[in-house]
Amino acid sequence: NAGVTQTPKFRVLKTGQSMTLLCAQDMNHEYMYWYRQDPGMGLRLIHYSVGEGTTAKGEVPDGYNVSRSTTEDFPLRLLSAAPSQTSVYFCASSYSTAAGAQHFGDGTRLSIL
Amino acid sequence: AQSVTQLGSHVSVSEGALVLLRCNYSSSVPPYLFWYVQYPNQGLQLLLKYTTGATLVKGINGFEAEFKKSETSFHLTKPSAHMSDAAEYFCAVSEGPGGSYIPTFGRGTSLIVHP
Repeated sequence: NAGVTQTPKFRVLKTGQSMTLLCAQDMNHEYMYWYRQDPGMGLRLIHYSVGEGTTAKGEVPDGYNVSRSTTEDFPLRLLSAAPSQTSVYFCASSYSTAAGAQHFGDGTRLSIL
Repeated sequence: AQSVTQLGSHVSVSEGALVLLRCNYSSSVPPYLFWYVQYPNQGLQLLLKYTTGATLVKGINGFEAEFKKSETSFHLTKPSAHMSDAAEYFCAVSEGPGGSYIPTFGRGTSLIVHP
């Protein structure tokens, strides 16, 4: 049981480049989330999805797009990378209840030069 | 809107000493509360959670937390720290019916354990 799988684990981009961070879960969870983690800032929610075909904005959505075409996959797209998007990105999933704990991937470490 | 405050960005203890990590929350409806642990270069893992019922919740690795509604707190404790407990700890809150199912996280507390 793989849980939540994120690829790639590391990436260096140049300012203005675009890229897609991949996230896949095999637990049939309805809810999926993208967070960024920066020193002293904790986890900040970028976008989330409450089921296939749905997406919603979180706390810091600007500069990012998501889609949810399948239950398993929830890719995060950086449209035009900026140095301020240098961060560690985590994908998570959970059952569709407030009591459901989140399962996290191991993160993607992204540097924008 | 729900929110979480973790008091102290860093907590330092000696091996064998009591661990106390503080978490206070605000919520307009009965909350669901979580503690997660993050080891270096890893994602977050669930330590324990409170949903309903017994207010003292036991988790993995000897940790426990007590839900105190009157104090809006959910502090995490462990009687005796081990070197392997050094990690980042996050408190999170979500709300049941009538509130937001999407969790809100605190900023995290880094636990440092000295030999």
